[in-house]
Amino acid sequence: DAKTTQPPSMDCAEGRAANLPCNHSTISGNEYVYWYRQIHSQGPQYIIHGLKNNETNEMASLIITEDRKSSTLILPHATLRDTAVYYCIGGQDMRFGAGTRLTVKP
Amino acid sequence: DSGVTQTPKHLITATGQRVTLRCSPRSGDLSVYWYQQSLDQGLQFLIQYYNGEERAKGNILERFSAQQFPDLHSELNLSSLELGDSALYFCASSYGASNEKLFFGSGTQLSVL
Repeated sequence: DAKTTQPPSMDCAEGRAANLPCNHSTISGNEYVYWYRQIHSQGPQYIIHGLKNNETNEMASLIITEDRKSSTLILPHATLRDTAVYYCIGGQDMRFGAGTRLTVKP
Repeated sequence: DSGVTQTPKHLITATGQRVTLRCSPRSGDLSVYWYQQSLDQGLQFLIQYYNGEERAKGNILERFSAQQFPDLHSELNLSSLELGDSALYFCASSYGASNEKLFFGSGTQLSVL
């Protein structure tokens, strides 16, 4: 079973920051946490990953708590094209949970 | 383009039949993962191969089997197909055996009629 827990759905206004939480208390201290998103029925797309420190790339920022039990993916200025299902995964065998369906509204 | 190639893109078949889905990983990647996604459902992990050997098994039915060949491409065989097997089947690849970035193919849409 997946080792992560995410809210099933979230809404965000266009242009605002979208903050997507994930609990991953069972992922070991030396295992990366990865975030992916899936738009419609396309193959999931890698967004970002991290271990202990906060990370930022051109797509998003990742904030990982000091105890590594949870993380938050931040899309700083959400657009309509960011509407998708977002998955946070980790662990040895990369099992996906149900993810969070983010809807960006105009 | 992720570099992962899945064929065919669409497959329509009848109940009781057998099909084979093919996946070519990114050049240099040694791991291949298979996932099943039914309509409006999440991604269900089926099985992982690393360098030709089965490494992890998920919710894969006994009617399903997979293998990874010496050239590292993988095939997922689905037999005695049922209506409920209709789904999107994704393949992903990574370089290492575990906890690495996955690159996904565009999927094979299987319809069992």
